[in-house]
Amino acid sequence: AQSVTQPDIHITVSEGASLELRCNYSYGATPYLFWYVQSPGQGLQLLLKYFSGDTLVQGIKGFEAEFKRSQSSFNLRKPSVHWSDAAEYFCAVSGNQFYFGTGTSLTVIP
Amino acid sequence: KAGVTQTPRYLIKTRGQQVTLSCPPISGHRSVSWYQQTPGQGLQFLFEYFSETQRNKGNFPGRFSGRQFSNSRSEMNVSTLELGDSALYLCASSFGVGGAGNTIYFGEGSWLTVV
Repeated sequence: AQSVTQPDIHITVSEGASLELRCNYSYGATPYLFWYVQSPGQGLQLLLKYFSGDTLVQGIKGFEAEFKRSQSSFNLRKPSVHWSDAAEYFCAVSGNQFYFGTGTSLTVIP
Repeated sequence: KAGVTQTPRYLIKTRGQQVTLSCPPISGHRSVSWYQQTPGQGLQFLFEYFSETQRNKGNFPGRFSGRQFSNSRSEMNVSTLELGDSALYLCASSFGVGGAGNTIYFGEGSWLTVV
């Protein structure tokens, strides 16, 4: 069965610090993987996606993610966090439908 | 390209009433998916429509229904509203079916409060 696990419910980082959000997936075939971000009161915005090829993918707003098949992971990273990055982040895997993780809430301290 | 514009954005309904939400997909997209988001349950898949046919359905009671029109616009209906139906209802649009490597693009959602 397909599933996505985001182990961290909430993360707090200082502005300017680096960020890594964890995502583990379960999927039998080559996965299609996504990261979305949701600001308060808004819908989900696509940050980046992995379909195949280079395992390090670049997204919008300075985010990147690395696909590691051996670890079934697709962690999201950003080298320097801005206060505007405070939001909820969702990892998703696409099989016959989309499966979303429960999300990680990011707080940024000035 | 223009995004997904869900209507209405906010609405308040009374228990027992019904509600209809609308979602026009991005131009050229033929698939529309619906999700319910609540603080306790997170994002839950309701159903997906592609070319006017329901392709996939989540684990929701029959009070939740949807349809898709020939212009790909989709509507979602909830009948006999319960307090627990209070949620953010998100619509997502994609060119092809919402799996198989197709990317889905979300609208801003419709906030439903049932009192």
